[in-house]
Amino acid sequence: GAGVSQSPRYKVAKRGQDVALRCDPISGHVSLFWYQQALGQGPEFLTYFQNEAQLDKSGLPSDRFFAERPEGSVSTLKIQRTQQEDSAVYLCASSLEGMNTEAFFGQGTRLTVV
Amino acid sequence: AQSVTQLDSHVSVSEGTPVLLRCNYSSSYSPSLFWYVQHPNKGLQLLLKYTSAATLVKGINGFEAEFKKSETSFHLTKPSAHMSDAAEYFCVVSRYNQGGKLIFGQGTELSVKP
Repeated sequence: GAGVSQSPRYKVAKRGQDVALRCDPISGHVSLFWYQQALGQGPEFLTYFQNEAQLDKSGLPSDRFFAERPEGSVSTLKIQRTQQEDSAVYLCASSLEGMNTEAFFGQGTRLTVV
Repeated sequence: AQSVTQLDSHVSVSEGTPVLLRCNYSSSYSPSLFWYVQHPNKGLQLLLKYTSAATLVKGINGFEAEFKKSETSFHLTKPSAHMSDAAEYFCVVSRYNQGGKLIFGQGTELSVKP
């Protein structure tokens, strides 16, 4: 597609429920990033993939958060046993190659945990 | 370590008047600095970037920013605000010259009055 696509755009989850958020990067983009944006805050880095390899997961807040990109294209961010503090907008970005090319952002998935 | 501080959480201007959004950074590396804009229900868009070339950087939609190392600042300006400029603006620092792992400020909401 023309840009980074994320789905669903909105997700409401009951506390304790597992959720999966999908990111379709720009075709041909090698690098993929996930960020978390809490209400009224700037986005915060979660994790980074180069192709299917997860090279940096230092920003994942707990072991309930898991990301994968098995074929080096689509990525899924999974959150297990959701808690209210997980409520945020989750942003995906992709770039052509590595850390030294511009990242393009999707519109995000707004997760609300009730 | 790197960080950015956006000095104003909200700025309000009248249409046709100048815009100034303030940003200070801290970096133990020679930083790359960016300004991103986030319109409601749209993805983050890169406005401009500084990557150690010219200290005065021109971006899209008439915005520009000046890198001042002595003041550790990277303020965003525009001579004349337009209604369509109303959005959230983020100052961002990275150790990578095109982006990569981005560290965002808290954001400044710009309102433009008719």
